[in-house]
Amino acid sequence: DQQVKQNSPSLSVQEGRISILNCDYTNSMFDYFLWYKKYPAEGPTFLISISSIKDKNEDGRFTVFLNKSAKHLSLHIVPSQPGDSAVYFCAARLSGGSNYKLTFGKGTLLTVNP
Amino acid sequence: KAGVTQTPRYLIKTRGQQVTLSCSPISGHRSVSWYQQTPGQGLQFLFEYFSETQRNKGNFPGRFSGRQFSNSRSEMNVSTLELGDSALYLCASSWSSNGPGNTIYFGEGSWLTVV
Repeated sequence: DQQVKQNSPSLSVQEGRISILNCDYTNSMFDYFLWYKKYPAEGPTFLISISSIKDKNEDGRFTVFLNKSAKHLSLHIVPSQPGDSAVYFCAARLSGGSNYKLTFGKGTLLTVNP
Repeated sequence: KAGVTQTPRYLIKTRGQQVTLSCSPISGHRSVSWYQQTPGQGLQFLFEYFSETQRNKGNFPGRFSGRQFSNSRSEMNVSTLELGDSALYLCASSWSSNGPGNTIYFGEGSWLTVV
């Protein structure tokens, strides 16, 4: 049973436009959500996170939105740059759980075309 | 400072063999966790060690085991390898126990191919 779902395996956008990556979850006990970015042959790197008590967190070009009632979060990248091309993983942590036992989605491959 | 270091980066093993992977966390980090990444299942949590003790365990068979040393370095071992164990094994470290916003940092991973 996949508790964190990224239903789009891939996404292609033009440089300068907005990229929107989506993530859905099923477990209402998740209280903290993270996005990781992964380049080929490298480990995932932390991008941005959001606590369940918030509905938005912004860091530069990256904004994460959380809709708890819909159990949905999204990552917005504005403006998109070719260097943003990577696999993006959504991850969630259970309330009261360990920061290290994260449940990941299967990832979305973002391609930003020049 | 140096990041999370994993060795070896690539290896090929035969079915039935066993393999040991090594992870050196970021200096000062005491928690080490392991994840398996496969195309079909994405990233799945294996286990986490803190101060040489396993604190959390994922849903993997007993063939997967690990340990942590007093210097926080960690190893994971897979015995009786199966073809389905072919994956990227990622190690991640963090400096302390739980806390909001405490981030884990991943290494580049060890690519294991079982033939």
